[in-house]
Amino acid sequence: NAGVMQNPRHLVRRRGQEARLRCSPMKGHSHVYWYRQLPEEGLKFMVYLQKENIIDESGMPKERFSAEFPKEGPSILRIQQVVRGDSAAYFCASSPSGKFNNSPLHFGNGTRLTVT
Amino acid sequence: DAKTTQPPSMDCAEGRAANLPCNHSTISGNEYVYWYRQIHSQGPQYIIHGLKNNETNEMASLIITEDRKSSTLILPHATLRDTAVYYCIGDHNTDKLIFGTGTRLQVFP
Repeated sequence: NAGVMQNPRHLVRRRGQEARLRCSPMKGHSHVYWYRQLPEEGLKFMVYLQKENIIDESGMPKERFSAEFPKEGPSILRIQQVVRGDSAAYFCASSPSGKFNNSPLHFGNGTRLTVT
Repeated sequence: DAKTTQPPSMDCAEGRAANLPCNHSTISGNEYVYWYRQIHSQGPQYIIHGLKNNETNEMASLIITEDRKSSTLILPHATLRDTAVYYCIGDHNTDKLIFGTGTRLQVFP
C-alpha cells in the first residue's frame, strides 16, 4: 500500500521562476493538506483541499501561492515568481475524511525547494 | 482549541524507556490527542492517538490522565533511531492539525 507520494524530492529554482509541487495521496484518501517548514522552524499549515474544492486556505500567503486538487491526478501546490524566502520543505498529507476522529493524517516525505 | 505544552528537549539512554509528557489542560471532551514525530529531513510520522483510554500499538503507548489534562507518550525501549522531534497535538475539532514546537528527544548510546 503506497503512502503519500510527493515529487520532486528536491527542486531548485531561480528567483522569479515558477515552482510546481505534486502530491499523490494515499489510495482511498480524498482529503489533502499542505504544510510548509522553513529551515529550523516548525510545520505551518497552508491549505486543505478536497477533490476539486479548497476547504481551508487560511495558511496560504495571499499572493503567488495557489493549490488545486483536480478530479483526476495529483494535488498541485504552485508558487509563482519564487523568492529566496520561499526556500523550505513542503509537506503534503492525506486522510480519508476531513475530521480527524480516529483518522490520522499521513504525510509524504516532502519537497525541498531551494531558490537561488 | 486545545493548546499543548511540551518540554523543548529530553535525553534518553538507548534501551531505556522514553517518557514524553504533554500538557493539554484546555482540551475539550471530544478532542483526540495525536502524537507524531519528525526524524531529521523526513515527513512527520504518525505514532498514536487517543481520546480517554490508554492506547498501545507497535510503536508506543499513550497514557492519558483521567481528567485528560495531560498525557505521556512512552517508547518502551528507545533506540538511536528514535531520535526525533515529537509533537503532541490536540485535534481542535477543526479541519486541520496545528503543530507546536514539540520535544526534541535525543537517544544516546
